[in-house]
Amino acid sequence: EAGVAQSPRYKIIEKRQSVAFWCNPISGHATLYWYQQILGQGPKLLIQFQNNGVVDDSQLPKDRFSAERLKGVDSTLKIQPAKLEDSAVYLCASTSSLRDRGLEQYFGPGTRLTVT
Amino acid sequence: AQSVSQHNHHVILSEAASLELGCNYSYGGTVNLFWYVQYPGQHLQLLLKYFSGDPLVKGIKGFEAEFIKSKFSFNLRKPSVQWSDTAEYFCAVNARVGGGKLIFGQGTELSVKP
Repeated sequence: EAGVAQSPRYKIIEKRQSVAFWCNPISGHATLYWYQQILGQGPKLLIQFQNNGVVDDSQLPKDRFSAERLKGVDSTLKIQPAKLEDSAVYLCASTSSLRDRGLEQYFGPGTRLTVT
Repeated sequence: AQSVSQHNHHVILSEAASLELGCNYSYGGTVNLFWYVQYPGQHLQLLLKYFSGDPLVKGIKGFEAEFIKSKFSFNLRKPSVQWSDTAEYFCAVNARVGGGKLIFGQGTELSVKP
């Protein structure tokens, strides 16, 4: 079974530029999560999708971050404009169902963003 | 609000030493508990989880954790560590009711000296 795919793996941009990250979850997984992991901290949820609907985006900085999952499969997270404090690893994860919240979340390799 | 606290930021052990990593959480309702591990250069992967039943759970690679409800704790243990256990370990929790999002601790970096 293929894992969660993310691209690019690394990205360096200047502040005020825009950037987009892509995630393809495990086939058949309805729930998709984007997490932000700042160096020295644990991952923090930015947004959660169930199929193509948003379940939780309470911690997404909506003035600069946006995300979509148009066909309920792959997803894109965008930052526009980027700030220095956005430097982090952006992780995508997926699970097969919301009904059992004990189900394992499968994580992708992450995209390491550096904003200069 | 939910929160997770891991007691140690960096632990250094020699091979064959015993390991215990502390994790406490703050939440008023029923939770599921997890330990994730990230080996150097690899993805986050599940080490073990608890959501009901026996509070002593066993995971991969000889790890185990004990849920103590009265102490809001879920400490990770291994009787004898190996150099290959060098990694970062994250404790996480999600609520039984809600969207299922994981709340992570800040992580503990484990370095095992050969």
